[in-house]
Amino acid sequence: EAGVAQSPRYKIIEKRQSVAFWCNPISGHATLYWYQQILGQGPKLLIQFQNNGVVDDSQLPKDRFSAERLKGVDSTLKIQPAKLEDSAVYLCASSLGRGHSYNEQFFGPGTRLTVL
Amino acid sequence: EDKVVQSPLSLVVHEGDTVTLNCSYEVTNFRSLLWYKQEKKAPTFLFMLTSSGIEKKSGRLSSILDKKELFSILNITATQTGDSAIYLCAVEVANFGNEKLTFGTGTRLTIIP
Repeated sequence: EAGVAQSPRYKIIEKRQSVAFWCNPISGHATLYWYQQILGQGPKLLIQFQNNGVVDDSQLPKDRFSAERLKGVDSTLKIQPAKLEDSAVYLCASSLGRGHSYNEQFFGPGTRLTVL
Repeated sequence: EDKVVQSPLSLVVHEGDTVTLNCSYEVTNFRSLLWYKQEKKAPTFLFMLTSSGIEKKSGRLSSILDKKELFSILNITATQTGDSAIYLCAVEVANFGNEKLTFGTGTRLTIIP
């Protein structure tokens, strides 16, 4: 079974530039999550999709972050404009979704973003 | 606000030692507690605990949950250098039919050969 795919693996940009990350979840997984993990901290949920609908984006800084999952499969997360404090690893995860008794989240390899 | 606290933040032991990692939580609508191992970037799943007092085991790793005192421990016996990693504790909370995970800051475990 193929895992969660993410690209790019690394990205270095200057502050005020824009950046986009891509995630392809495990086939058949209805729920997709984007997490931000700052060095020395645990992952923090940014946004959660159920199919192509947003179910939780309460911790997404909406003035600069946006995410979409148009066809209910892959997803993009965008930052525009980036700030120094956005330097982090961005993890994508997926799970079977609502209604399943065992709803383990599987994580992708992450994208390490450095903002200079 | 949901809170998950892990201790110690870091731990350095010699190969062969036994370690105990701690996780305490204060959340509303608790569903389960999960342990993950993070070596490079992607956390990998270790255990999911939902019931108090029932130990889960996988090889040299074991974990138990106390829902009355709101904590869990992860034990690793006969540690090996491959156990060096960050161990993350996460609590799954019910969120209007969509569960979400709140993570602790992790414990960085280093095993010295």
